[in-house]
Amino acid sequence: DAKTTQPPSMDCAEGRAANLPCNHSTISGNEYVYWYRQIHSQGPQYIIHGLKNNETNEMASLIITEDRKSSTLILPHATLRDTAVYYCIVRVAGEDTDKLIFGTGTRLQVFP
Amino acid sequence: DAGITQSPRYKITETGRQVTLMCHQTWSHSYMFWYRQDLGHGLRLIYYSAAADITDKGEVPDGYVVSRSKTENFPLTLESATRSQTSVYFCASSDDRSGNTIYFGEGSWLTVV
Repeated sequence: DAKTTQPPSMDCAEGRAANLPCNHSTISGNEYVYWYRQIHSQGPQYIIHGLKNNETNEMASLIITEDRKSSTLILPHATLRDTAVYYCIVRVAGEDTDKLIFGTGTRLQVFP
Repeated sequence: DAGITQSPRYKITETGRQVTLMCHQTWSHSYMFWYRQDLGHGLRLIYYSAAADITDKGEVPDGYVVSRSKTENFPLTLESATRSQTSVYFCASSDDRSGNTIYFGEGSWLTVV
C-alpha cells in the first residue's frame, strides 16, 4: 500500500505562504493525493486533492511533482486560524473497496 | 440538515459493556469509514464499507464489529469495551472511489473506565 511521510511540525508567520511537503514515493498511477486538516480534534476537513496536475481552490494550491512521488500543499496567506494538523493522504483503491491511509501529519503553527 | 452525523458525541462506559456508535449520512454515499484517533496521534482505520452489506477490515479491527444494512447507516459496536478503546471515533463517507471528496463527522468521544 502506498504510504506518506510528512515533517512532524512547521512554523509559519501570519500572512506568509505556508508550504507543507509530503512524500509518497510508492504511489500508483491511479491513486489520488488528498490533503485534510484537523483543528483541535474536530473532524478532519477536506482541503484539496489531485492526481497528476497542479490544483488550486479557494483554500490552497496543490503542487504534485512530475514523477508523482511527492507533493506540496501551499496556503498562500496563512492566518492564525490555519493552525492545525495537516494530513497528506493517498487514496488506495482495491478490488471492490476503497480505503484511506493517513500519513503522520504535520502540525502547522501560524504565529503573529 | 444534510451531512454526516455521529451519535452519541460523548460517552462514558464501563469495561466489558457493549457500546454502539452510530453514523448516519444523508448523501447516499457508497463508501463509509470508521477511524479512531488516540490522544496526540493520527487517525487509524478500523473498518470500511463500499456499499450496503459489504464491509472490510482496516488497520485496527480487533474488538470492533460493524454492519451496513442500509446505505445511510454504518454503526460501530464495541462488543466488550476495554480501556484501550478509549479514543475519539470518526465516521466518514464518500461517493464512488478515488477522486471524490471524503467527508468526516465531528467525532464521538468514548471513555472506557
